[in-house]
Amino acid sequence: QLQLQESGPGLVKPSETLSLTCTVSGGSISDTRYYWGWIRQPPGKGLEWIGNIYYSGSTYYNPSLKSRVIISIDTSNNHFSLKLSSVTAADTAVYYCARQGSGYYYWGQGTLVTVSS
Amino acid sequence: EIVLTQSPATLSLSPGERATLSCGASQSVISGYLAWYQQKPGLAPRLLIYDISTRATGIPDRFRGSGSGTDFTLTISRLEPEDFAVYYCQHYGTSSYTFGQGTKLEIK
Repeated sequence: QLQLQESGPGLVKPSETLSLTCTVSGGSISDTRYYWGWIRQPPGKGLEWIGNIYYSGSTYYNPSLKSRVIISIDTSNNHFSLKLSSVTAADTAVYYCARQGSGYYYWGQGTLVTVSS
Repeated sequence: EIVLTQSPATLSLSPGERATLSCGASQSVISGYLAWYQQKPGLAPRLLIYDISTRATGIPDRFRGSGSGTDFTLTISRLEPEDFAVYYCQHYGTSSYTFGQGTKLEIK
C-alpha cells in the first residue's frame, strides 16, 4: 500500500522560505506512470494546486505561484520536496503531497504550515 | 488555464435523496481529464471519479460522474449519512491542474 508523509517546519516567518519534504513508501517514486504533486488548503478554504514533478525532474507549476516555487525530486531516497519563497500570511495552509495518475488517488495526511513572526 | 466553477456552493438534502453537483469549465475539457473528490473535515481529499465518469477503486456505484465539453455533473443517487462532505471537481492535464471552489453537501 502506497503511503506518503509530509514533513517540515510547522511555523515559518514572513519573507522566509517554506520547505517541505514528502517521503514515499510502499512504491517507487521513479514509477514512470505517475507524477508527484503538492496541493495546499488555507484554513476553511478550498484546494489549490501548487505543482507537479515527474521522476525525470520535469516540473509544472501553478502560474500564480510559479515565481516563488521550486519542486525537486530525489529518486535515490524516494522523496520529493517543495520550496516556497517570500512567504506571507496568505501562504498559511495545510500542505498535501499526492501521487497523480488519473487524478490524485494517494495523498499524504497533510501538514499545517503557519506563517507568522 | 481552465477555470472551474462549482454550483451550488451549498446543497442541503436528506439521507436517501438524490444529489446533483455541477462543475462548469471556462473552456472545453477536450482531454476528458476531469475528476471529483470528497473531503471530510480534517482529512485529505478522497478521489471518487476520474476521466469524467470512471469510479476510483472502492467507490460505491451510487456515485456517478457525467458530462462533456464545459459542463460536468456528479450525481449521488441515494445519499448515505457518510456522504455529507465537501466535493471538489478538478481538471488535470500534462501541465495544468485546477480545482473548483467546492460544494458543501449538508444534512437538511
